[in-house]
Amino acid sequence: DIRMTQSPASLSASLGETVNIECLASEDIYSDLAWYQQKPGKSPQLLIYNANSLQNGVPSRFSGSGSGTQYSLKINSLQSEDVATYFCQQYNNYPTFGGGTKLELK
Amino acid sequence: EVQLVETGGGLVQPGNSLKLSCATSGFTFSTAWMNWIRQTPGKRLEWLAQIEDKSNNYFISYLESVKGRFTISRDDSKSSVYLQMNNLKEEDTAIYYCTPKFYYSAPFDYWGQGVMVTVSS
Repeated sequence: DIRMTQSPASLSASLGETVNIECLASEDIYSDLAWYQQKPGKSPQLLIYNANSLQNGVPSRFSGSGSGTQYSLKINSLQSEDVATYFCQQYNNYPTFGGGTKLELK
Repeated sequence: EVQLVETGGGLVQPGNSLKLSCATSGFTFSTAWMNWIRQTPGKRLEWLAQIEDKSNNYFISYLESVKGRFTISRDDSKSSVYLQMNNLKEEDTAIYYCTPKFYYSAPFDYWGQGVMVTVSS
């Protein structure tokens, strides 16, 4: 199985700040990587796919980058509605997820 | 609008069985590859099983740790997918989601609201 190591596990940031979340795959996943946002009591929602493609309807302050084994999610100008837990997921092989990053406001 | 509605969860004792159902609408179910994913109380997400479409002979894949205990199935006439869970363990306690995939290497675009399964004596 491909292991996905996500960091940090939790993050506190101020409104308007830029936030970065990292995801490291145990082997090359050829950009078959997605990012999801999950708000409390809700199911995960797809933000980014193919490492850097923005899902329809997702604000442009969200962006993804990376290749090979290293990927990142960037949130520009943090808004209050961005408070959530974020997960990465690879789909190059049987799907596996990162452990999540809980984003809170400072 | 894509809708996925999971049902069949509840409280069950260790060793017992439970069958989850997922009724879908808003997309061409017959060509979708259907998956079950669970989220533990610690928020860890874990893919469990996938059943492909008729053109792929309904090929089935499982997470190794549930192989032999869980069985995924589908009924294209009802646009529904199922997960039969046998010999349940306390570590199977989780929210269970069904999700479609529309091609081989694809993310999970749509998620249901999930159904809670609690395994406890």
